[in-house]
Amino acid sequence: LAKTTQPISMDSYEGQEVNITCSHNNIATNDYITWYQQFPSQGPRFIIQGYKTKVTNEVASLFIPADRKSSTLSLPRVSLSDTAVYYCLVGPMDSNYQLIWGAGTKLIIKP
Amino acid sequence: DTEVTQTPKHLVMGMTNKKSLKCEQHMGHRAMYWYKQKAKKPPELMFVYSYEKLSINESVPSRFSPECPNSSLLNLHLHALQPEDSALYLCASSQQRFTANEKLFFGSGTQLSVL
Repeated sequence: LAKTTQPISMDSYEGQEVNITCSHNNIATNDYITWYQQFPSQGPRFIIQGYKTKVTNEVASLFIPADRKSSTLSLPRVSLSDTAVYYCLVGPMDSNYQLIWGAGTKLIIKP
Repeated sequence: DTEVTQTPKHLVMGMTNKKSLKCEQHMGHRAMYWYKQKAKKPPELMFVYSYEKLSINESVPSRFSPECPNSSLLNLHLHALQPEDSALYLCASSQQRFTANEKLFFGSGTQLSVL
């Protein structure tokens, strides 16, 4: 099973673009990469998911290089409300319960 | 309705008590999950129900007993818990199991304190 490594914490300022990188060196061929956001005293919320190259939705972008050994979550023009913990997950497309959660990155946005 | 509703939001119980956590979703999802989350840690999977049948039990102690009365409801019965069981208990659902490219929808959790 793939293991993920991500920074423990990051700081940024309102209006900036924030990039959070996750390392998953032994990712398997059939593994997807997923990111969740969690606010204090709430459950995680799905942000984005991808398999390769670039995925974009209304909230974020996910960049995955060709070797898939890492991925970068990009949050454009962050606001104070983006302060949260961001989890990188890796798991096979045929088994949801085998999702491996990263330790999470605490992102603090300053005014 | 894209919500997973958990009750109660907070629970304090003694080690000899019996209590239950409840989870409800009306999205027609057929997979439901219980996770345990300690402070500053990622969620840890406890149980998975698929089509109302227990599919996965991640070696959880028997003092935690899950129940899925129907496709919309999931309960977690608690008995003789230990102080180290204090944590945020999260319920989640997804359309079906065995597809990691599906979203997990989480409730807000029950913050449990065992005295």
